[in-house]
Order: sequence, then C-alpha cells, then structure tokens
Amino acid sequence: GAVVSQHPSRVICKSGTSVKIECRSLDFQATTMFWYRQFPKQSLMLMATSNEGSKATYEQGVEKDKFLINHASLTLSTLTVTSAHPEDSSFYICSARGRTGRTDTQYFGPGTRLTVL
Amino acid sequence: GQNIDQPTEMTATEGAIVQINCTYQTSGFNGLFWYQQHAGEAPTFLSYNVLDGLEEKGRFSSFLSRSKGYSYLLLKELQMKDSASYLCAVRDEWDSNYQLIWGAGTKLIIKP
Repeated sequence: GAVVSQHPSRVICKSGTSVKIECRSLDFQATTMFWYRQFPKQSLMLMATSNEGSKATYEQGVEKDKFLINHASLTLSTLTVTSAHPEDSSFYICSARGRTGRTDTQYFGPGTRLTVL
Repeated sequence: GQNIDQPTEMTATEGAIVQINCTYQTSGFNGLFWYQQHAGEAPTFLSYNVLDGLEEKGRFSSFLSRSKGYSYLLLKELQMKDSASYLCAVRDEWDSNYQLIWGAGTKLIIKP
C-alpha cells in the first residue's frame, strides 16, 4: 500500500519551454501532497504544499508563477515548470500524505530528473 | 528556530552494526521519522517514533528521547545494499498539513 507514482521519470527540454510533472497516489487518497527539489549531494528542499481543491502554499523564495501547482483531485497533483532555464535543472520529487499504522507520513514518488539545455 | 543535526557521512563494515544519531530543536514535536534514500532515488519510509523508547523492525531499530531531543537509527548485520543516505525528519506539532522538517541526511558507506 501507499504507492506514489511520478511521471515522467526523466525529461530533457530546451530553455524557455514548460514542463509538466504528474504525481499520483495509486492506492490511497491524498488530501495533501508536497513538492520537493533536490540538487546533487544536497538535502530535500520543500517547494510547496498542496491541498486538494485549494491553492498551494509556497515556501519562501519559491516563485509561484514559475512553479505552477495544481491539485485537482485526491489522487493527482501536477507541477508545471514554466519557461524553464538551465538553473531549474534538478531532481523534483513529490510526496503524498498517507497513513502508516499509527500515524500519517509522507510517501514519495520516484522523482523526476529535469535537465534544461 | 528549527534545526535538525545528523552526521554528514559514516563508514561501516559489512556484517557490522552502525548507529546514526540525530538531534533536533523544534518549536513543537509530533513524531520523528527516518527515511532511506539511495543515490538517484526518492526517499523511502523506514520508521516512526513519537514516544520515548526503541522501535524495532527487522534489522533496523529507531530510538527516541524527547527530553533530550535525540534519536538514533540502528542498523544491524549490515549489507552492501544498506549503502544510502539516511534522513531524519521531525513533524512539527502545530502543522496541520503534517509537513516534515528535514535533516541534511547521513551518507552511510558500507565496505566489504
């Protein structure tokens, strides 16, 4: 149980294009999903928290107009990187809040490696 | 402020035991989590502690002392596949979204 999928797993795009990443909870409903980015050999950096049916809450320093988040259903959240630039190249990981025995925790998707040329 | 500390890197031998420590200072506390992250992959959930004491799950155990703001992850009978980063995370009591505050991770290197 508590499986999260993410698509695509890897994407290479030209500078200036937009890229959409999908995050799905496959066997549970996730009222809350989280989007992270991780640079090589660095820790997870939370970008935003999204609740189904409402606007995402962005962390300080994250541009909401550049990283568009839509949480349209209890099993799907999308992150769109608009007008991507080489500095946006990173490993983007989503997680979904789900239940594990005694508590809720975050279950992670496999991640999307974005390379902007 | 919120702060979670864990060693940057540790090395251990296959078959041995290793303990990875984590100390935290957070405004609230509603549970501590350990995750494993292999290079190039996403983190996977390992354990959860909210009460003081030891939680054992196979070769992995996690300990918590709330009064000391301290936890450790104990890995026994180390295998080469245990080479990974281990992330300590704390859930702030006041966050209704169940956001986690993340440590920087401990890279564990297993040698034959």
